[in-house]
Amino acid sequence: DIQMTQSPSSLSASVGDRVTITCQASQDISNYLNWYQQKPGKAPNLVIYDAYNLETGAPSRFSGSGSGTDFTFTISSLQPEDIAIYYCQQSHNLITFGQGTRLEIK
Amino acid sequence: EVQLVESGGGFVQPGRSLRLSCTASGFNFGDYTMSWVRQAPGKGLEWVGFISTKAYGGATEYAASVKGRFTISRDDSKSVAYLEMNSLNTEDTAVYYCTKLDGRYFDYWGQGTLVTVSS
Repeated sequence: DIQMTQSPSSLSASVGDRVTITCQASQDISNYLNWYQQKPGKAPNLVIYDAYNLETGAPSRFSGSGSGTDFTFTISSLQPEDIAIYYCQQSHNLITFGQGTRLEIK
Repeated sequence: EVQLVESGGGFVQPGRSLRLSCTASGFNFGDYTMSWVRQAPGKGLEWVGFISTKAYGGATEYAASVKGRFTISRDDSKSVAYLEMNSLNTEDTAVYYCTKLDGRYFDYWGQGTLVTVSS
């Protein structure tokens, strides 16, 4: 099984800050890495697919990068509406989610 | 507009069974792999399993935690996916989401249905 390790598990930042979340796979997953945003009481929402593609409707301040085993999700300028839990997910071999990163406003 | 609506959740005793349904609309259901993802209270997301299209033989795959106990099926004529859950235990308590798999990512999610396993 492929394990996905996200860091940090929680993050507090100020409005306007650049925020970065990392996700590491236990083996090479090429670019089969996706990112989801989950707000309280809601279903998750796809924001980045195939490592770096911005999903339609997702804010342009969101971006993704990486390939192989190391991936990054970045918010260029944090906004209050970005407060959520973010999950990475691999689909190279079956499906695995990272444990999530809780993003809060400082 | 794509919609996925889960139903069938509720309270069930350990060892019993429950079947969830996911009614889809707004896309050609038969052309897409459908999947279930669950989230225990206060916890992260856990993939449960998926069922491929008829073109791929309707093959199924499951997470190790549910393999042998859970079965996913589909009725393309009704645009419905099912999750049959047997031998339920307290660790199966979660919100169960139906998801549409577009290639290798979940592009649409239902609102979720809560399953509570307790004596």
